[in-house]
Amino acid sequence: ETGVTQTPRHLVMGMTNKKSLKCEQHLGHNAMYWYKQSAKKPLELMFVYNFKEQTENNSVPSRFSPECPNSSHLFLHLHTLQPEDSALYLCASSPGLAWEQYFGPGTRLTVT
Amino acid sequence: DAKTTQPTSMDCAEGRAANLPCNHSTISGNEYVYWYRQIHSQGPQYIIHGLKNNETNEMASLIITEDRKSSTLILPHATLRDTAVYYCIATIAGGTSYGKLTFGQGTILTVHP
Repeated sequence: ETGVTQTPRHLVMGMTNKKSLKCEQHLGHNAMYWYKQSAKKPLELMFVYNFKEQTENNSVPSRFSPECPNSSHLFLHLHTLQPEDSALYLCASSPGLAWEQYFGPGTRLTVT
Repeated sequence: DAKTTQPTSMDCAEGRAANLPCNHSTISGNEYVYWYRQIHSQGPQYIIHGLKNNETNEMASLIITEDRKSSTLILPHATLRDTAVYYCIATIAGGTSYGKLTFGQGTILTVHP
C-alpha cells in the first residue's frame, strides 16, 4: 500500500465512450502525475500537476483530458479513444516536484 | 537527462546478493541516479538514489563509481518477492526537469528458489 489509490483497476471501453480514471493520494503531497505504460514500451510521462496547476503536458492527444481539483485528487477524462490507447495508466504523487514518487497500482484500460 | 544502459535480464538465486549494473557514461555533475522497480501488475516503487557517494537504505545499496559513469544496485539477500523490472534513471537537478522521470526498458531480475 503506497498511499496512492486508483479506480477503477480495470476498464473496458468502446471508442465512442466517455470515461474517467480517478487517482487519490493520502500522503499530503502537492504534486501528482499521470503516466502511460503500453505493452512492450517504457513508462511515458503524460501530465504533471503541482499545487493543482498543470506544469507539464508531454504532447498528449486532446482525447486525454486531465483534471486536478485539489492536491489530493487527479482525474484523467477519456473520450473517443483508439485501440492503441489500451495501456496501464499509472498515477503518482510526490511532496512537490520530485523524482522520488509514489505510484498507485494503475488502471488497466482496454479500448475496443 | 543522461542515457542509461542496463542489461535486459538477470537471474539470481534466492538468498544471494543481486547486483544490477547500470551504465550512464554521459552523466553530468548535477545528475542524480535513481532506481525504481516494478513488480508485475503493480506501479513502480522507488528504491534509492545517489549523486556521488554510495548510499544504503533498508531496501538496497547503491554503489556509484568514482567517475560516476556507472553504478550498481545491490539487493543483499534477494528473495522471490524481489523478482521485478529494475529501472535505473539519471536525471538533472534543478530547472524545469524536476519530477520528469524518464524510464527505459530496465532489467528483468528473476530470483530463483
